[in-house]
Amino acid sequence: EDKVVQSPLSLVVHEGDTVTLNCSYEVTNFRSLLWYKQEKKAPTFLFMLTSSGIEKKSGRLSSILDKKELFSILNITATQTGDSAIYLCLKYSGYALNFGKGTSLLVTP
Amino acid sequence: GAGVSQTPSNKVTEKGKYVELRCDPISGHTALYWYRQSLGQGPEFLIYFQGTGAADDSGLPNDRFFAVRPEGSVSTLKIQRTERGDSAVYLCASSRSGGASDTQYFGPGTRLTVL
Repeated sequence: EDKVVQSPLSLVVHEGDTVTLNCSYEVTNFRSLLWYKQEKKAPTFLFMLTSSGIEKKSGRLSSILDKKELFSILNITATQTGDSAIYLCLKYSGYALNFGKGTSLLVTP
Repeated sequence: GAGVSQTPSNKVTEKGKYVELRCDPISGHTALYWYRQSLGQGPEFLIYFQGTGAADDSGLPNDRFFAVRPEGSVSTLKIQRTERGDSAVYLCASSRSGGASDTQYFGPGTRLTVL
């Protein structure tokens, strides 16, 4: 099985905290790694990472990939209650897709 | 422009019944994916269409599950003789060409409950 492992599985922080979410994956047929934010039902796209060491940034969110150590992190700074969601890590192997179980983030006021 | 849409949003059925779930992808997207998401899990890949053809159906759990995309746009996921274990949210996604550099855009999902 081509696994994607996310940690932690759940996290509770206070508004204003910085969080780091982790995603490790197996190297088999790696093409790219994506992060999605899932509120309610439909995941929404955050980042796609294909090259090691290049940080992608969007507002308070950033992500980086380490292809040598086979992991990615998603950072959220100055968290807000609206950041509460499940964050999914997805690995493309060709077109085959493997999702992690997600990290459930709760940001409290 | 319009995103991916799915109908119905909720479907409750009885064990043993047949159900159809519909996905309307973003116009012009040739790749279409179906996923199933059970409570507390990440989405699980079911099937991938490139145009009208199923390029990979290895994720379909058994022969009760079938999907079609006859004209290369709308897709229907069909489940025969439903079982309680089929209860999940069924997500559809589309991408422009299906390559590994393509972003997948997800629909809102259909929540299927089998009683």
